[in-house]
Amino acid sequence: GAVVSQHPSWVICKSGTSVKIECRSLDFQATTMFWYRQFPKQSLMLMATSNEGSKATYEQGVEKDKFLINHASLTLSTLTVTSAHPEDSSFYICSARESAGLSNEQFFGPGTRLTVL
Amino acid sequence: DAKTTQPPSMDCAEGRAANLPCNHSTISGNEYVYWYRQIHSQGPQYIIHGLKNNETNEMASLIITEDRKSSTLILPHATLRDTAVYYCIVRVRAAGNKLTFGGGTRVLVKP
Repeated sequence: GAVVSQHPSWVICKSGTSVKIECRSLDFQATTMFWYRQFPKQSLMLMATSNEGSKATYEQGVEKDKFLINHASLTLSTLTVTSAHPEDSSFYICSARESAGLSNEQFFGPGTRLTVL
Repeated sequence: DAKTTQPPSMDCAEGRAANLPCNHSTISGNEYVYWYRQIHSQGPQYIIHGLKNNETNEMASLIITEDRKSSTLILPHATLRDTAVYYCIVRVRAAGNKLTFGGGTRVLVKP
């Protein structure tokens, strides 16, 4: 199946700093990528939908100025958590949908665990 | 997208079949049933999906009732590595359509 990678797999940062997380589709092109957040013992919550070459669409309640998303190419989307605070500590997961459209399925990355001290 | 209801947890014995139920009584005609699972601290993994016919692949079988208001995911021979949270999701299979995750079923496979 299609492979999606994320980097880093985990990161620890100080409060007030910004953290960038990369999501790459390794063997396919992805017009659309999705960013999710998951707190302990909870389900995945969709944060935003990222379309290549255009602005991301954020879910209600997600601050677009705090969670900056860039989808500059068909294989890379980045999520930047700006001025991170301890409450932003979470498991961030991306997924990508094949551009070919034959399957329309989403493939998920392994996730990035962010800890803000 | 239609809502789904799953039991919060279930145990099953290693080597036995695991039958995971899902109710989706408000499903509409163009909505598919998808199953994903998430092993601890990993990203979700696609298992299977279907519209109205039963489906089978190397991982599992999906049985959808004739009225499509419920479905069952069957893991034919559960192993310890099948311990995970299993999510049943209903959605239209359109380009860019997002997946909305509910609570899922936490499955513990016991030796």
